[in-house]
Amino acid sequence: SQTIHQWPATLVQPVGSPLSLECTVEGTSNPNLYWYRQAAGRGLQLLFYSVGIGQISSEVPQNLSASRPQDRQFILSSKKLLLSDSGFYLCAWSVGNAYEQYFGPGTRLTVT
Amino acid sequence: DQQVKQNSPSLSVQEGRISILNCDYTNSMFDYFLWYKKYPAEGPTFLISISSIKDKNEDGRFTVFLNKSAKHLSLHIVPSQPGDSAVYFCAASYTDKLIFGTGTRLQVFP
Repeated sequence: SQTIHQWPATLVQPVGSPLSLECTVEGTSNPNLYWYRQAAGRGLQLLFYSVGIGQISSEVPQNLSASRPQDRQFILSSKKLLLSDSGFYLCAWSVGNAYEQYFGPGTRLTVT
Repeated sequence: DQQVKQNSPSLSVQEGRISILNCDYTNSMFDYFLWYKKYPAEGPTFLISISSIKDKNEDGRFTVFLNKSAKHLSLHIVPSQPGDSAVYFCAASYTDKLIFGTGTRLQVFP
């Protein structure tokens, strides 16, 4: 069966520090991968999605970036965090043309 | 511009009764709709979905209704159970992306 991992589970970082969040999927090949953010009191905002290695589409211009160095690995990065980057970050996957996306456990990021 | 709206931020229902969660959308190009359930500090879990060519889909205690003319969908949970207490998100599919609503917090009390 398919499994999605995210780490770390929680992270507290000072403003201006770098960020690297990692997501890996097991049990499937060539998944579509997604990064979402849930800010306090808001819905899920799509940040990036990828249909293959090295293929990244950005939905919201900001100081975050994403990379997909391997088929089942998706990384969210920032060179300098802002206070507004605080939130709950979720990685998700889907397969082929399926509509359903399946989410990881999330990372709670607090920028201080 | 919020294309998917959940206008009720919270809902409280007695155990055993029906819970009805509502969702409105503005984009007639959406072709598939989904409901997710989310517990605190966890990722959302897929619950049930419906294609835009249907008006009803049922899975056990959960039924989703779609009214395309009104651009409205609803999730019915019957009977409601305390374990159903969570935040429910509706989502709509456009091309290969999902657009989520802001969620409705459901509380089922004894």
